[in-house]
Amino acid sequence: DAEITQSPRHKITETGRQVTLACHQTWNHNNMFWYRQDLGHGLRLIHYSYGVHDTNKGEVSDGYSVSRSNTEDLPLTLESAASSQTSVYFCASSVSGGFNEQFFGPGTRLTVL
Amino acid sequence: AQTVTQSQPEMSVQEAETVTLSCTYDTSESDYYLFWYKQPPSRQMILVIRQEAYKQQNATENRFSVNFQKAAKSFSLKISDSQLGDAAMYFCAYRHMEYGNKLVFGAGTILRVKS
Repeated sequence: DAEITQSPRHKITETGRQVTLACHQTWNHNNMFWYRQDLGHGLRLIHYSYGVHDTNKGEVSDGYSVSRSNTEDLPLTLESAASSQTSVYFCASSVSGGFNEQFFGPGTRLTVL
Repeated sequence: AQTVTQSQPEMSVQEAETVTLSCTYDTSESDYYLFWYKQPPSRQMILVIRQEAYKQQNATENRFSVNFQKAAKSFSLKISDSQLGDAAMYFCAYRHMEYGNKLVFGAGTILRVKS
């Protein structure tokens, strides 16, 4: 069965370190998204991609970057982790156009000490 | 920019009863989609129901239905015959029809189901 996976599921890191969160989908979806979930804010869009080599900034992109070298993967990098980036991170994917559902990964809980 | 507001941080319902979760949104567009997602304690995001703005008829999915009031920019979720498994965080989300598949989420409502 097609799926979307994230790794690691939990991570603890220190302020200033570079961190990369992986997202892999086997749906062959063109669209991929990264969100962060914080209490009182719901899910907020960090970055998104509509295809290979395409990346776009979302609502809360400062301090994050993504790259899309193939259809299946959209890794999220925190260049220099900050305590404000402690959050739960969700990756999602969907087909383009139409009335299409976004499928979400299981989430990664990141703690920055 | 579009915004989505869920004014009820927390709701409770007795098992087998009906509960309605509120959602309002702000947009200047006429064509868009609206969604309700459920997030149980497992953290997995699950699509509950969706509505196309150009359709007058309210969407239904088994025990879940919506009350879509386009002029009022309101999109409430009604859960009938509530079950213990309905306990979760519920998110309302908006997507513009043409500007890609980006979702704008509300802050969420925690639903507790009492036995």
